[in-house]
Amino acid sequence: GAVVSQHPSWVICKSGTSVKIECRSLDFQATTMFWYRQFPKQSLMLMATSNEGSKATYEQGVEKDKFLINHASLTLSTLTVTSAHPEDSSFYICSAARGGYNEQFFGPGTRLTVL
Amino acid sequence: AQSVTQLDSQVPVFEEAPVELRCNYSSSVSVYLFWYVQYPNQGLQLLLKYLSGSTLVKGINGFEAEFNKSQTSFHLRKPSVHISDTAEYFCAVTLSGGYQKVTFGTGTKLQVIP
Repeated sequence: GAVVSQHPSWVICKSGTSVKIECRSLDFQATTMFWYRQFPKQSLMLMATSNEGSKATYEQGVEKDKFLINHASLTLSTLTVTSAHPEDSSFYICSAARGGYNEQFFGPGTRLTVL
Repeated sequence: AQSVTQLDSQVPVFEEAPVELRCNYSSSVSVYLFWYVQYPNQGLQLLLKYLSGSTLVKGINGFEAEFNKSQTSFHLRKPSVHISDTAEYFCAVTLSGGYQKVTFGTGTKLQVIP
């Protein structure tokens, strides 16, 4: 149990376009979902926390207008990278947590390459 | 705020030898501690976690870790490694008592040498 999926697993896009990444909790209801960014050979950096039905809380330094997060249901959160540029190329990982949780369950990640 | 330090960025070890990956944390209040493994181009998999109780925690794939409050450490150990253990290992900490933000260490690359 506690499986989290991400789609797509990898995406290549042109500079200036927008890309949407989906994060789904497959077998549980996720009251809270998290989005992380990981540069090569570096650790995970939390970008934002989202609770179902409310606005996401962004970490300091993360542009909320560039990284749009929507937590539309208890099983789905989306991250949209708007007007992507090469510096946005990275590995994006989501995680999900149940209510009253003490553990996050991670998705397999999405590799974004912006040309 | 809490923080995590993984002093070793890379640890080479021969197959079937024991290994210890070090993790130290900093927090003024009680914490939960986690070890995750990440294989190339994949997400994170939980190896083990300490929430409370016994300070020796056993996880998957033969790994174990010991919570040492006085030394603020949570080192990961395995008595005999396999080639398949080659991966990146992340220590993580969160404040105890329900949802709190997770802080990750910088990771340790375990390289098992045949």
